[in-house]
Parts: sequence; C-alpha cells; structure tokens
Amino acid sequence: QQQVKQSPQSLIVQKGGISIINCAYENTAFDYFPWYQQFPGKGPALLIAIRPDVSEKKEGRFTISFNKSAKQFSLHIMDSQPGDSATYFCAARPGFGNEKLTFGTGTRLTIIP
Amino acid sequence: DTGVSQDPRHKITKRGQNVTFRCDPISEHNRLYWYRQTLGQGPEFLTYFQNEAQLEKSRLLSDRFSAERPKGSFSTLEIQRTEQGDSAMYLCASSSSWTQYFGPGTRLTVL
Repeated sequence: QQQVKQSPQSLIVQKGGISIINCAYENTAFDYFPWYQQFPGKGPALLIAIRPDVSEKKEGRFTISFNKSAKQFSLHIMDSQPGDSATYFCAARPGFGNEKLTFGTGTRLTIIP
Repeated sequence: DTGVSQDPRHKITKRGQNVTFRCDPISEHNRLYWYRQTLGQGPEFLTYFQNEAQLEKSRLLSDRFSAERPKGSFSTLEIQRTEQGDSAMYLCASSSSWTQYFGPGTRLTVL
C-alpha cells in the first residue's frame, strides 16, 4: 500500500519560474514531512522539512505548504534555476519510536533556459 | 563532520554469490538506517538500528539479508545467494534526531 502519493512524475519549468510538487498521505500518524533532492548517482539530500504544527515553512527559495485537514503538502521552488534540475522526493514518518521514512515515488524536475 | 560514507560505491556480482556492504555513519549519530532504491522509485526502508540494537526490519528484508552494527558505529549489510531482483542502490542513513542524512549509496548489479 503506497502511503505517500507524489505528483507530477515529471515537471519542466522555465528558468526563473515556480516549480510546484505535490504529495498526499494517508497515515494520520505521520508527524514529520521532509523533502529530499537527489542528483543522478548520489544519495538523497535533505532540502527542507516541516512538522504539522505549522502550515508553511520557508528556507531561501524553497517553501513547504502543509494542509493537515486535507493530508497534503507541497514543495514550491521559487526562481527555479538550471542547477535545481534533479529528482525530488517527499517523505513522511511518524513520531519518535517509529523511525521509518516512507517516500513518494519522486518527481523529475528539469529547468530549461 | 565528513558525512555518511558507504563502501563499495559499485558492486557487480554473479547470481548466487554473497555480497557485503559497509556504512560509516556521521560520528555520534546513534541511529542508522538501510534503504533500498530501485530505478525510478523512492527509497524503501529495510532496517534500523539504535546504537547496536536492530529495532525494526521491513518484510522486504528476506532471510537472505542480514544487517549488523556490532559496536554501535559502522554497519554492514550482507546479501546471501544474490538474485537478479536484488539489483538496486542500497542507501545508508544516520541521524541523531528527526533528520536522516543519507550516504552516496552502493549500486549493486547482479548478473
């Protein structure tokens, strides 16, 4: 059973535009929602993460929006740059005592000049 | 802080052979995780250690797979009698709180 659904599968955005990736979850026990960026041949690197006690978190050009009632969260990349071209994964995990991260299927983002 | 390291980075083996991977976590991180990632998919949880204790194992971890963290520092993941379906990227991560930091992975190809 896929517990974190991610869309779109791929995304092409013009340089300077806004990239938006969406995720939805089913497990109401999830308590921590990170986004990871992965380049080919590399391990995932943490971009930004949010807990459900806030509806938005911003770090530089990256913003997470979180809707607890809808069980949805999204990543916004402002002023997208060619160096942002990578695969992005949303993930979720319950609180302490259950350490397993459940990942979405990934979004391949391409930023074109 | 040198990050999570994994060795080897690539492993090619023949079906039926045994392979062992090593993970060195960020120093002083007491939690260590193994994930498997196949092409076009997100990482899937395999197992988790807190210090030297293995606290959770996924049902993906068949009896051909074994993981150890003998002194609560580095960890090894062994796959016995490898099958073609074991071909994947094996990722290790470590943490001391909420954030899991991933290593570069070991890409396994089973011929």
